[in-house]
Amino acid sequence: DQQVKQNSPSLSVQEGRISILNCDYTNSMFDYFLWYKKYPAEGPTFLISISSIKDKNEDGRFTVFLNKSAKHLSLHIVPSQPGDSAVYFCAASAKNTGGSQGNLIFGKGTKLSVKP
Amino acid sequence: SQTIHQWPATLVQPVGSPLSLECTVEGTSNPNLYWYRQAAGRGLQLLFYSIGIDQISSEVPQNLSASRPQDRQFILSSKKLLLSDSGFYLCAWSVSPHYGYTFGSGTRLTVV
Repeated sequence: DQQVKQNSPSLSVQEGRISILNCDYTNSMFDYFLWYKKYPAEGPTFLISISSIKDKNEDGRFTVFLNKSAKHLSLHIVPSQPGDSAVYFCAASAKNTGGSQGNLIFGKGTKLSVKP
Repeated sequence: SQTIHQWPATLVQPVGSPLSLECTVEGTSNPNLYWYRQAAGRGLQLLFYSIGIDQISSEVPQNLSASRPQDRQFILSSKKLLLSDSGFYLCAWSVSPHYGYTFGSGTRLTVV
């Protein structure tokens, strides 16, 4: 059972336009959400995060929106640049109550291609 | 500052051969350590995590094992590799897993 879902395996966007990557989750205990960016043959790098007490977090060209009632979050990149082309992973975690429950749960990723 | 080292970067091994991938973390104490695998066309699959020396939890039954002989060293092993073990292996660390991990640069393993 996938607790974090990224239903779009790929997304293609023109340079300068907005990229919107979506993520849905099923576990209502999740209270912290992160986005990671991964280039081929490299480890994922942290991009941006949001706590469940907020509905928006912005960092430069990157904004993450959280809709708790819909159990949905999205990452907006504007304007998109060719260097943004990568795989983006959504991840979620719940406050650790022991065992593996504090660990991150990752989605399967969305491959973003930004065309010049 | 904290750094994570993972090696080798690439590895080609024949079926049935053993495997040892090593990961070390510097600049922190008692980190949580993780091994992930990204198989072709799939997401990040958690293989093992460790909250301390000799404390290993396995998330997925498989042909692999992990060990943590020292606080900041995490080793992924196999006695006999299978073709299906091919993939991109990632080590990660965290002090507070709830707030995210830092990943190593990964090892591309190809079993032939």
